[in-house]
Amino acid sequence: GQNIDQPTEMTATEGAIVQINCTYQTSGFNGLFWYQQHAGEAPTFLSYNVLDGLEEKGRFSSFLSRSKGYSYLLLKELQMKDSASYLCAVRGTTNFGNEKLTFGTGTRLTIIP
Amino acid sequence: KAGVTQTPRYLIKTRGQQVTLSCSPISGHRSVSWYQQTPGQGLQFLFEYFSETQRNKGNFPGRFSGRQFSNSRSEMNVSTLELGDSALYLCASNPTGINTEAFFGQGTRLTVV
Repeated sequence: GQNIDQPTEMTATEGAIVQINCTYQTSGFNGLFWYQQHAGEAPTFLSYNVLDGLEEKGRFSSFLSRSKGYSYLLLKELQMKDSASYLCAVRGTTNFGNEKLTFGTGTRLTIIP
Repeated sequence: KAGVTQTPRYLIKTRGQQVTLSCSPISGHRSVSWYQQTPGQGLQFLFEYFSETQRNKGNFPGRFSGRQFSNSRSEMNVSTLELGDSALYLCASNPTGINTEAFFGQGTRLTVV
């Protein structure tokens, strides 16, 4: 099966940096996604990692270590609009050989002035 | 380019009834995935359809079913509704499958009373 853990809530200050961690256990790992979801809205894609290392995209970066089953999302120069839930999702293989995308329960990030 | 469209946005049903939700993917996208989102469980994968065939399936009971039409539009059906089925149902559209970036619709908020 697949299991994903990420902190439930985090708080950070405007202009600062925050790191949201995600650990996972899965069979047939084939990629990790980060999504952002504002309250009452649909999730939107932020990043995708399939190889070890850091992927940078503007103020957001995502890191993956497959051997450790670990990823983090790094948000720099935080803005008030970054207050949202951040979802970690892992693509793996089910017991029946199908592919499945499993989401964590999300980390609710609150930015304070 | 129009995004993913889900209808209806809100729905109230009674226990024991059945419900059908609709999702129109982004033009040209052939893969449609369905997810259930609840505060306690987060986003849970229901199933994925590609070219009118169910390609991947999550761990939901047989009361949850779906189909995809030749124009890639998809419907999800839940029969014999239970109170625990109250959730936000999200549809995601991909160009080729769940291994690529997913574009989510706004969701259908289902309340079972």
